[in-house]
Amino acid sequence: SQQGEEDPQALSIQEGENATMNCSYKTSINNLQWYRQNSGRGLVHLILIRSNEREKHSGRLRVTLDTSKKSSSLLITASRAADTASYFCATDGGTGGFKTIFGAGTRLFVKA
Amino acid sequence: DAGVIQSPRHEVTEMGQEVTLRCKPISGHNSLFWYRQTMMRGLELLIYFNNNVPIDDSGMPEDRFSAKMPNASFSTLKIQPSEPRDSAVYFCASSPGTVGYEQYFGPGTRLTVT
Repeated sequence: SQQGEEDPQALSIQEGENATMNCSYKTSINNLQWYRQNSGRGLVHLILIRSNEREKHSGRLRVTLDTSKKSSSLLITASRAADTASYFCATDGGTGGFKTIFGAGTRLFVKA
Repeated sequence: DAGVIQSPRHEVTEMGQEVTLRCKPISGHNSLFWYRQTMMRGLELLIYFNNNVPIDDSGMPEDRFSAKMPNASFSTLKIQPSEPRDSAVYFCASSPGTVGYEQYFGPGTRLTVT
């Protein structure tokens, strides 16, 4: 069963715009991670945020975590065509146990 | 480092045949994960190992699926007998730990069962 639910399922934007993807989960967690998957490839880790953190940055990525709402968001600023991919949130720990559980993903398309 | 290595990259087989997927994790990583990805069900964790020991295999769909990790540098996922509904992309990932560590994914094996 999927713990994380990404929203929207698909997103299409122009190059240079910001892209925001959201993830909601059901049980308490220790960590939340975001991954990217390019078509036909394996997933690539982007960023990990722990349950006691509220925000993290990595380059053009900004992740927030609201444990009271059981939600996280991934913001990609100044998007590029190369950002076109599927983005997944993954949760582990807490009542979910030691498994890492992935959501269904958001498909992002950045038009040049 | 070469990253996580999976073989074969593509496998086409007939229903009823045995299929073996192989994975070499990143050296020094003590956790290994097998996932299955389909359009309908998304990315599902099948089983994971820590220090070569299976920790959680509750995601293995049926007894037709089995996984082994005889040593720290090699793991197999076997399907016997295979069925058309097993068609999917199977990913292997490794990690320095189980919880709170990033996972490094291999390129995947695309399995088609006809």
